[in-house]
Amino acid sequence: DQQVKQNSPSLSVQEGRISILNCDYTNSMFDYFLWYKKYPAEGPTFLISISSIKDKNEDGRFTVFLNKSAKHLSLHIVPSQPGDSAVYFCAASALQGSSNTGKLIFGQGTTLQVKP
Amino acid sequence: NAGVTQTPKFRILKIGQSMTLQCAQDMNHNYMYWYRQDPGMGLKLIYYSVGAGITDKGEVPNGYNVSRSTTEDFPLRLELAAPSQTSVYFCASSPTMSANQPQHFGDGTRLSIL
Repeated sequence: DQQVKQNSPSLSVQEGRISILNCDYTNSMFDYFLWYKKYPAEGPTFLISISSIKDKNEDGRFTVFLNKSAKHLSLHIVPSQPGDSAVYFCAASALQGSSNTGKLIFGQGTTLQVKP
Repeated sequence: NAGVTQTPKFRILKIGQSMTLQCAQDMNHNYMYWYRQDPGMGLKLIYYSVGAGITDKGEVPNGYNVSRSTTEDFPLRLELAAPSQTSVYFCASSPTMSANQPQHFGDGTRLSIL
């Protein structure tokens, strides 16, 4: 039972264009969402997050959008750079009130390749 | 500033052998976690600890044991290695268990069981 799904295993975009990575979830108790970035042979590093009380959070070139009714979130990278090439994991958690409180549930990851 | 340090980086085990994956953090975080990542899959929580002497099971604890005798260290033990435990193992830590204080990850241990 995959509670967090990233249905696109890979994405390739041209440098300077927009990258859009998608994530869907099934558990309505999730109220906090995070994106992690992972380079080969390294651990995941935190990129950006969003609380369910918001529908958008922006940090420089990175913006996360949350559509609670559709149980969908997306990560936009504009403009994309070759250094953004990595695996991106979506993760969800419940801040309070469920057995998942504080625990991160990860999606399968999407490999982004940004071509120069 | 080391953060979360995992050793070894790579290991090959024979079926039935045992080993301990080491994890240490220098951020004085109370919360520590062990995940495994299988190819094409997300990270799955094996065990976690909310402080020295306190551990609890995650989503996939079978075949593993943990201990937490100090704030800094959180070793993961495989008692009887099985091919299904071939994976990349990540240790992480955080100051609280609230998701709005993101977890910090080590660089992983790649383990092959043959």
